[in-house]
Amino acid sequence: EPEVTQTPSHQVTQMGQEVILRCVPISNHLYFYWYRQILGQKVEFLVSFYNNEISEKSEIFDDQFSVERPDGSNFTLKIRSTKLEDSAMYFCASSEARGRGLDTQYFGPGTRLTVL
Amino acid sequence: GDSVTQMEGPVTLSEEAFLTINCTYTATGYPSLFWYVQYPGEGLQLLLKATKADDKGSNKGFEATYRKETTSFHLEKGSVQVSDSAVYFCALINSGAGSYQLTFGKGTKLSVIP
Repeated sequence: EPEVTQTPSHQVTQMGQEVILRCVPISNHLYFYWYRQILGQKVEFLVSFYNNEISEKSEIFDDQFSVERPDGSNFTLKIRSTKLEDSAMYFCASSEARGRGLDTQYFGPGTRLTVL
Repeated sequence: GDSVTQMEGPVTLSEEAFLTINCTYTATGYPSLFWYVQYPGEGLQLLLKATKADDKGSNKGFEATYRKETTSFHLEKGSVQVSDSAVYFCALINSGAGSYQLTFGKGTKLSVIP
């Protein structure tokens, strides 16, 4: 069964450093998403991406964040200058389409980011 | 904005007990509704979904019915197993409002003891 994969599973970084989190969505999916879950809190939407453009973003997704699809398979989230409060589990998701019934999002296993 | 409210956990049940996890939502129009499950140390897995009023989603013995009149999508299972121990998240997508992001509830942790 196709699945979303994410690397690395755990990333430790120093405050102020740049990190890139990587995701490989399901191959025939067209819509890609990033969510985060701070420990003990709810899962929060960050951004969605389609046709090489951001289609939606939340207030969390400020100028420190960017997303890119550098090739036909990878989808990345970059945090330019990490802060302590960026420590969270980051989930990538993808969906086949956006119409009702086709909008189910499938999640990867997550990358745990720890900022020291 | 849209929101999802779940019953507070944790919930502890004995094996073979009946499970209900309440979920209500606030949204304009007719959102699609989902239950996701997160097993310890793993990511989010889709458990079941419903896309319109009175639809029943079901999977692995779990069921939930989309109730428009009460804006609810309660998760039920007739007989839980130890392997059902996980965190359960209710969520919605309100595509009618032009948004395709998932809005999640806070999650309910279920522990099933033998």
